[in-house]
Amino acid sequence: QGQLQESGPGLVKPSQTLSLTCTVSGGSISSGDYYWSWIRQPPGKGLEWIGYIYYSGSTYYSPSLKSRVSISLDMSNNQFSLKLKSVTAADTAVYYCGRGVVGTMTVDYWGQGTLVTVSS
Amino acid sequence: QSALTQPPSASGSPGQSVTISCTGTSSDVGYYKYVSWYRQYPGKAPNLIIYEVAKRPSGVPDRFSGSKSGNTASLTVSGLQPDDEADYYCCSYAGSNNWVFGSGTKVTVL
Repeated sequence: QGQLQESGPGLVKPSQTLSLTCTVSGGSISSGDYYWSWIRQPPGKGLEWIGYIYYSGSTYYSPSLKSRVSISLDMSNNQFSLKLKSVTAADTAVYYCGRGVVGTMTVDYWGQGTLVTVSS
Repeated sequence: QSALTQPPSASGSPGQSVTISCTGTSSDVGYYKYVSWYRQYPGKAPNLIIYEVAKRPSGVPDRFSGSKSGNTASLTVSGLQPDDEADYYCCSYAGSNNWVFGSGTKVTVL
């Protein structure tokens, strides 16, 4: 079974770049069977899809965040990362990484989530 | 991309059934079979309970069932149990490598 764990700063200043890493265990991010996703949830609100990356490095982003977001792979450490630039208070959220199954186009395993607060 | 529409809340007594709707458009829920449902307890990550409209992952009891008609998908929880009290979210593929989540429904077991 896949296991995912998010890591990164819990506090980011406005206008700076939010950077998070997801470490994957129990499977390889180089597998063509999966894609690797980021999803966020503002406090007390619903889920928002951010984007995902395939093992090939192809990336797909939410239209609403596309200008500010990038997702990348680190095959040597079995990790993938999220960068969100020019953050504001509206980017305060719990950020989840997830494993998507290519065959079913479903995120089946999620990390526990990490709260990132944007504040000066 | 607008969030899929779910009722904010739903409730039922233990043993009863509750059905949650998830309304989208002909460009997402109505067009694709990639509709999934997640259960989320407070402070926890979402957990997959239904994928591809009506399929259950291994380990999810058959009390959970999914369906779709037109632009609306539905999740039915039968035989309500106290630990079914949680937030439920639908999610649909929306084409062009985009995904959209529902607004979420809080289920209360009376």
